Amino acid sequence: AQSVTQLDSQVPVFEEAPVELRCNYSSSVSVYLFWYVQYPNQGLQLLLKYLSGSTLVESINGFEAEFNKSQTSFHLRKPSVHISDTAEYFCAVSVGFTGNTPLVFGKGTRLSVIA
Amino acid sequence: EAGVAQSPRYKIIEKRQSVAFWCNPISGHATLYWYQQILGQGPKLLIQFQNNGVVDDSQLPKDRFSAERLKGVDSTLKIQPAKLEDSAVYLCASSPSRVAYEQYFGPGTRLTVT
Repeated sequence: AQSVTQLDSQVPVFEEAPVELRCNYSSSVSVYLFWYVQYPNQGLQLLLKYLSGSTLVESINGFEAEFNKSQTSFHLRKPSVHISDTAEYFCAVSVGFTGNTPLVFGKGTRLSVIA
Repeated sequence: EAGVAQSPRYKIIEKRQSVAFWCNPISGHATLYWYQQILGQGPKLLIQFQNNGVVDDSQLPKDRFSAERLKGVDSTLKIQPAKLEDSAVYLCASSPSRVAYEQYFGPGTRLTVT
């Protein structure tokens, strides 16, 4: 069965500093990979996704993630964070070719941006 | 476009009591999901509906949890009787198709069992 490991449960970072949230997955077959963000008292929102093609994917608010098949990783990065990026971030995987298989989530990483 | 609605937002009950959660998905979304998110963990799928039929309920503790989706629209999730370990946030999500990554999540119901 597939699993997702988020290596850091909490990441504090100063405003305008770069950040990397790490995610590794285990699966022997093709996967689709996702990052979701959960702001306080809100539901999860899809931040970005890797389905196929270019291994580097970007979101509209400056985050990017790179799919590395050899290292089974999908780390999330942002070169300069803002206070508004404070949230919990979840990495997720869907196994197979159709995208119909259920999402399996990691435990989440709480990003705290310090002014 | 209105999002996924859930109620109540918070609920506190004693163990062995019963509780029900309600979800109203985005209009026209055929697929509905219920997740359990225990503190410090990621969401775990409990049940997936396609219209009013169950697609996947392999992780639903059927001895105490039940769910239904009336007329393929609203859904209720019930726990009877509740245990302390059921304390969690219960998330509802809906999708226009069975593609898992097209889900839109509601704000969740935070359940505390004392």
